[in-house]
Amino acid sequence: EAGVTQFPSHSVIEKGQTVTLRCDPISGHDNLYWYRRVMGKEIKFLLHFVKESKQDESGMPNNRFLAERTGGTYSTLKVQPAELEDSGVYFCASSQGAPYVVSYEQYFGPGTRLTVT
Amino acid sequence: AQSVSQHNHHVILSEAASLELGCNYSYGGTVNLFWYVQYPGQHLQLLLKYFSGDPLVKGIKGFEAEFIKSKFSFNLRKPSVQWSDTAEYFCAVKEDSSYKLIFGSGTRLLVRP
Repeated sequence: EAGVTQFPSHSVIEKGQTVTLRCDPISGHDNLYWYRRVMGKEIKFLLHFVKESKQDESGMPNNRFLAERTGGTYSTLKVQPAELEDSGVYFCASSQGAPYVVSYEQYFGPGTRLTVT
Repeated sequence: AQSVSQHNHHVILSEAASLELGCNYSYGGTVNLFWYVQYPGQHLQLLLKYFSGDPLVKGIKGFEAEFIKSKFSFNLRKPSVQWSDTAEYFCAVKEDSSYKLIFGSGTRLLVRP
């Protein structure tokens, strides 16, 4: 079974540019999550999709961040325009199960390291 | 708001030493507890989890953790570490009815051969 994949593994952009991160969850996993780790601090929740619907986006830092999951398969996270404080590692995770079954393990991808200069 | 504290940011041990990594959380309700590990160059992977039942949980690679509700703690232990345990370890908490993981800041463990 293929795991969660993320692309790119590393992105270096200048302040003000746009970057789009992609996450492919494990096949059949309805739940998809985005997390972020900034500057070696704790990993923080950004948002949660159930299929194509945003279930919770309370962790999104501001409106420069836009996440989509068209068709309920892969997801993208766009940062536009990027700021210096957006640098960090962006993790995607997925889990199986119905929307409100919360006991399933979240499987994490390798992360995308974003550097904004 | 919920928070998770990991007491040690960096730990250095020699092989065969015993390991205990502290984790405390702040939330008064029912929680699910996790330890994740990230080996160099690899994904975050689940070491062990506690949902209910026996508060002493055994995970992969000889790790175990004990949930002490009165202390809001979920410390990770291993009696004898190996060089291959060098990694970063994350404690995480989830409200029982939620799906959102709240992570601690991580502990980097270096095991010297």
